[in-house]
Amino acid sequence: SQKIEQNSEALNIQEGKTATLTCNYTNYSPAYLQWYRQDPGRGPVFLLLIRENEKEKRKERLKVTFDTTLKQSLFHITASQPADSATYLCALDPHGPDSWGKLQFGAGTQVVVTP
Amino acid sequence: NAGVTQTPKFRVLKTGQSMTLLCAQDMNHEYMYWYRQDPGMGLRLIHYSVGEGTTAKGEVPDGYNVSRLKKQNFLLGLESAAPSQTSVYFCASSCPQRELCNEQFFGPGTRLTVL
Repeated sequence: SQKIEQNSEALNIQEGKTATLTCNYTNYSPAYLQWYRQDPGRGPVFLLLIRENEKEKRKERLKVTFDTTLKQSLFHITASQPADSATYLCALDPHGPDSWGKLQFGAGTQVVVTP
Repeated sequence: NAGVTQTPKFRVLKTGQSMTLLCAQDMNHEYMYWYRQDPGMGLRLIHYSVGEGTTAKGEVPDGYNVSRLKKQNFLLGLESAAPSQTSVYFCASSCPQRELCNEQFFGPGTRLTVL
């Protein structure tokens, strides 16, 4: 069966350090992978997208890697700040014209950045 | 622009009651989605629509119906609510050009409790 796994335990990190989150998947061949941020009581907000032929993508203090051999994406927050505290979701877009837009989401990993 | 809005924000129902959740978007997006989010689980797609007048089943459609009579609105109906439908419901929208706009825009959510 298809599965997307993110660390269920919260990641507690000190301000200024790099937070690294993992997204592993099985039985998918995604065209691309997305990362979203979700704050308590709010809807997810899109952060980054990385395509299957891309190894790495950066946006400000965020970096995403995508290893289709390992079936894994890593999400890094460098120089973390308390304002980065949130839950981060990964989402896959499977291949195929009929699957367009039908994202499959992981359960998310909570990040807590302490001053 | 308001983006994606949802009404109501909160609702408590008794088993067997019916209700309709309203989603509206002002971004002229073709695609709209309804998800549910439960603790420890990823967002799960209930129904989606690829354009006005069209709807399709997602991963967990049972017990729900939808309608897309106008491009900007997507309604989710519960005909006979059950406690298992207690959840947070999110609406999202996206544009159809796969290479130009892959992200989904989410509403703030509706927290539904069925007693």
